[in-house]
Amino acid sequence: EAGVAQSPRYKIIEKRQSVAFWCNPISGHATLYWYQQILGQGPKLLIQFQNNGVVDDSQLPKDRFSAERLKGVDSTLKIQPAKLEDSAVYLCASNTGTQEYQETQYFGPGTRLLVL
Amino acid sequence: LAKTTQPISMDSYEGQEVNITCSHNNIATNDYITWYQQFPSQGPRFIIQGYKTKVTNEVASLFIPADRKSSTLSLPRVSLSDTAVYYCLVGDRGDDKIIFGKGTRLHILP
Repeated sequence: EAGVAQSPRYKIIEKRQSVAFWCNPISGHATLYWYQQILGQGPKLLIQFQNNGVVDDSQLPKDRFSAERLKGVDSTLKIQPAKLEDSAVYLCASNTGTQEYQETQYFGPGTRLLVL
Repeated sequence: LAKTTQPISMDSYEGQEVNITCSHNNIATNDYITWYQQFPSQGPRFIIQGYKTKVTNEVASLFIPADRKSSTLSLPRVSLSDTAVYYCLVGDRGDDKIIFGKGTRLHILP
């Protein structure tokens, strides 16, 4: 079974530029998550989708970050304009979203962003 | 979501058993305890999950006392490849949201 795919793996941009990350979850997984992981810290949830609807985006800086999952499968996360503090690893995770107890999340390898 | 506290870092040697304890004093009745492992340059990976007593799989064991205010992840006979960050998470049954702390950086020495 293929895992969660993310691209690109690395990205270097200058502040005030825009950048986009792509995620393809495990086939059949209805729930998709985007996390931000700053060096030395645990991942922080940015946004959670159930199919193509947003379940939780309370920690997404909406003035500069946006995300979509138009067809309920793959998803993109965009930052515009980027700031120095956005330098981090952006992780995508997915699960079926159908189990009644806390279900395992399957993570992709992440995209490492460096903002100069 | 209950807050968790775990050691920032631990060192051990190859072949030893490693126990990482996590404190979760405010755990709720419906909360499950889950541990994830994260290697450098990779996303976290599920290790084990439990509700009470003991859970064992091919990778680790999870010990949960009766009051459930703490839990211990046990890694038998560690190797260099077990060097990673280990996260303890507590989440509500039926709520798939998880909150990561800083985790425990485990360093295995030869």
